[in-house]
Amino acid sequence: EVQLVESGGGLVQPGGSLRVSCVVSGLSVSTEWMHWVRQAPGEGLVWVARISPDGKRITYGEVVKGRFTISKDDADNTVHLEMNSLRVEDTGVYHCTTRRDYGSGKAVDFWGQGTMVTVSS
Amino acid sequence: DIQMTQSPSSLSASVGDRVTITCRASQAIGGYLTWYQQKPGKTPKLLIYAASTLQSGVPSRFSASGSGTDFTLTISSLQPEDVATYYCQGYNGAPWAFGQGTRVEIK
Repeated sequence: EVQLVESGGGLVQPGGSLRVSCVVSGLSVSTEWMHWVRQAPGEGLVWVARISPDGKRITYGEVVKGRFTISKDDADNTVHLEMNSLRVEDTGVYHCTTRRDYGSGKAVDFWGQGTMVTVSS
Repeated sequence: DIQMTQSPSSLSASVGDRVTITCRASQAIGGYLTWYQQKPGKTPKLLIYAASTLQSGVPSRFSASGSGTDFTLTISSLQPEDVATYYCQGYNGAPWAFGQGTRVEIK
């Protein structure tokens, strides 16, 4: 069974930093693209960042570019998101997710339940 | 980066009605489009992949079509369990991009 379990969320002041993590079981982060997606309370899904299986290709959404850093630890099968210079608008549930394309239009995806990050003074 | 624009942002329809949601990409993405369904308090559920392929276990009243920049999701006969927010997502090699969502309610 595949499980993605996020942790590390909490309350932080504007301008502060926080690191959230996603422990993965049932699949290997060394063979899958891993993504972070966030969702502010009552709002829509926003893609945040992704990291390739080999860790060499990393991309960020415009809203977090230059402030957030995605990384992974293959030995621990964990993905991290380091968040700096946090803003009130970064508040939301941060989900770790991955999707596997089997070809011919078939895919399967996995989502963690998320960790809540609240940026407030 | 690609931007995805959905319409309408919300709709209310009766049980048994045909419902259509549209999604437009800011640039051509071929058939690289996914439709998600999200119910309150739940993570998104993958309904449609590669623009038109219904995923395993998804009721056949759901269908989708489109390519390039214009896509549609159709529910042929709306059921009470279809109350949810629906998101399109483009993924043409570039970073993922979600539409803003369409909230579907029962009238």
